[in-house]
Amino acid sequence: GQQLNQSPQSMFIQEGEDVSMNCTSSSIFNTWLWYKQDPGEGPVLLIALYKAGELTSNGRLTAQFGITRKDSFLNISASIPSDVGIYFCAALNYGGSQGNLIFGKGTKLSVKP
Amino acid sequence: SQTIHQWPATLVQPVGSPLSLECTVEGTSNPNLYWYRQAAGRGLQLLFYSVGIGQISSEVPQNLSASRPQDRQFILSSKKLLLSDSGFYLCAWSVGGAVYGYTFGSGTRLTVV
Repeated sequence: GQQLNQSPQSMFIQEGEDVSMNCTSSSIFNTWLWYKQDPGEGPVLLIALYKAGELTSNGRLTAQFGITRKDSFLNISASIPSDVGIYFCAALNYGGSQGNLIFGKGTKLSVKP
Repeated sequence: SQTIHQWPATLVQPVGSPLSLECTVEGTSNPNLYWYRQAAGRGLQLLFYSVGIGQISSEVPQNLSASRPQDRQFILSSKKLLLSDSGFYLCAWSVGGAVYGYTFGSGTRLTVV
């Protein structure tokens, strides 16, 4: 079946650092989404991408829909403590209005001790 | 605006006891509804999804079942809980397929003891 390989699995951030994570697949997708999950909460949609090569920002977050349609990237600039959490990529290859999202296994951001 | 409600927020149940988790959506009609489980704060596992009243699709064979008695109500059940049923259960909805992503509830933390 279709799978999304999300990396890194986890990373430590220091306030002010830039953060990068990515999601890759051997399959082609029409839609890429990025979610953030705070501890004890449900994931919240951050950015949605619908076109190959598209670059979209949401505040300090920037995500890109890979030109091959098989990958996507999320960057966080000048990280702050509230950026900690789990970030999920999700993708969809729809032939109509149905079809379920496929999720990556998540990237866990923690603060450097 | 659309909202999604999940309850209870936390639940501790003995092995062998029944389970009923409820999810309701407000402010939309004919949503697609989903139940996910998340173990150990990591990946999201799709358990069930529903495209309409009485229509349930199971993704993973297990000790759980789902029902959709009303358009905006989705229930996750078990007749006899196992220790392995412990986890964080998330309900989600979408309209018009998954192209705009899912909106997640705040989750139920289930601990089976």
